[in-house]
Amino acid sequence: EPEVTQTPSHQVTQMGQEVILRCVPISNHLYFYWYRQILGQKVEFLVSFYNNEISEKSEIFDDQFSVERPDGSNFTLKIRSTKLEDSAMYFCASTGGYEQYFGPGTRLTVT
Amino acid sequence: GESVGLHLPTLSVQEGDNSIINCAYSNSASDYFIWYKQESGKGPQFIIDIRSNMDKRQGQRVTVLLNKTVKHLSLQIAATQPGDSAVYFCAHQDTGRRALTFGSGTRLQVQP
Repeated sequence: EPEVTQTPSHQVTQMGQEVILRCVPISNHLYFYWYRQILGQKVEFLVSFYNNEISEKSEIFDDQFSVERPDGSNFTLKIRSTKLEDSAMYFCASTGGYEQYFGPGTRLTVT
Repeated sequence: GESVGLHLPTLSVQEGDNSIINCAYSNSASDYFIWYKQESGKGPQFIIDIRSNMDKRQGQRVTVLLNKTVKHLSLQIAATQPGDSAVYFCAHQDTGRRALTFGSGTRLQVQP
């Protein structure tokens, strides 16, 4: 069964450093998403991406964040200068219709 | 997605019993609803969905009920099994948007 994959599973970085989280969406899907889940809180939408551009973003997705589809398979989330409050699980999702299928997540720890 | 530290409402059931998990939403513009299951250390797993033009949808051992009048969604799990133990989130999508808005979750504990 096709699934969304994410790497790395855990990323530790120092405050102020740049991080890139990687995702491989399900191959025939057209919409891609990033969500995050701070420990102890609910899952929050960050951004959606379609046809090589951002289609929707939340207030959380400020200028420190960017997304890219550098090739035909990968979808990345970059955080330019990480802050302590960026520590969270980051989930990638993709859809070919309505159902959004989530990856296993990357745990980002900012120290 | 770990749920450690989440102060979630918890539903504890005996194996074989039926479970009902409830969710309320506030936006009348929501037209698509999904239930996700999240096990410790994993991402949300799609269970079942329903569009706003329906009030009931059934899957394998699961049923989703939608009451648009009171903005209420429920997930029924028949013959609950230990493997059903997880945190369950409802999520909804508003008309014209792609973003999902998640609820705060319910922890289901199945006692063998």
